[in-house]
Amino acid sequence: DIQMTQSPSSLSASVGDRVTITCQASQDISNYLNWYQQKPGKAPKLLIYDASNLETGVPSRFSGSGSGTDFTFTISSLQPEDIATYYCQQVTFGQGTRLEIK
Amino acid sequence: QVTLKESGPVLVKPTETLTLTCTVSGFSLSNARMGVSWIRQPPGKALEWLAHIFSNDEKSYSTSLKSRLTISKDTSKSQVVLTMTNMDPVDTATYYCARIRYSGYDYVNYYYYMDVWGKGTTVTVSS
Repeated sequence: DIQMTQSPSSLSASVGDRVTITCQASQDISNYLNWYQQKPGKAPKLLIYDASNLETGVPSRFSGSGSGTDFTFTISSLQPEDIATYYCQQVTFGQGTRLEIK
Repeated sequence: QVTLKESGPVLVKPTETLTLTCTVSGFSLSNARMGVSWIRQPPGKALEWLAHIFSNDEKSYSTSLKSRLTISKDTSKSQVVLTMTNMDPVDTATYYCARIRYSGYDYVNYYYYMDVWGKGTTVTVSS
């Protein structure tokens, strides 16, 4: 299985901050990297697919970049409703990043 | 509207076999470049991919659980079934199914994303 290593495991930021999460794949996966948001008690929601494509209806403050083995997920201006756990995925999932408001 | 709904037992005993069904609507399991994946999440822990099946019946399983898992589909019933044998309390989790959309293939791996998820079903393993 492809292994995904995500960091940090938790993050505390203020409203309006720029937030960045990284994900590293155990092998070259080209641009085939996806990002999901999961709020407590809910199913995950697709935000970004194929590294940089914003899923329909997802706010433009969310973005992704990268290729090969190294990828980045960014929230340009953190909003209160962005509090959630974020996962990278290509088949398997990263360990998740729990995002909290300072 | 695309929906997926998981169903199965709430409680299973250790050593029993778990059978979960994902019933889909709004798309066909025969649609090219689509399929269904099963994912689970133990309480307070991360998501864990279990298995997938594509419209061409291509299947893949988590390496760590491969010996215990079987995935199959019944296109006419719009259902994907996952069985997991020899259940243990550590298998207690919420089990999700999700629609997968094919992105690419490099002769080794299929690459895809999961664009629509079911709400999940909670399974407890206890005697």
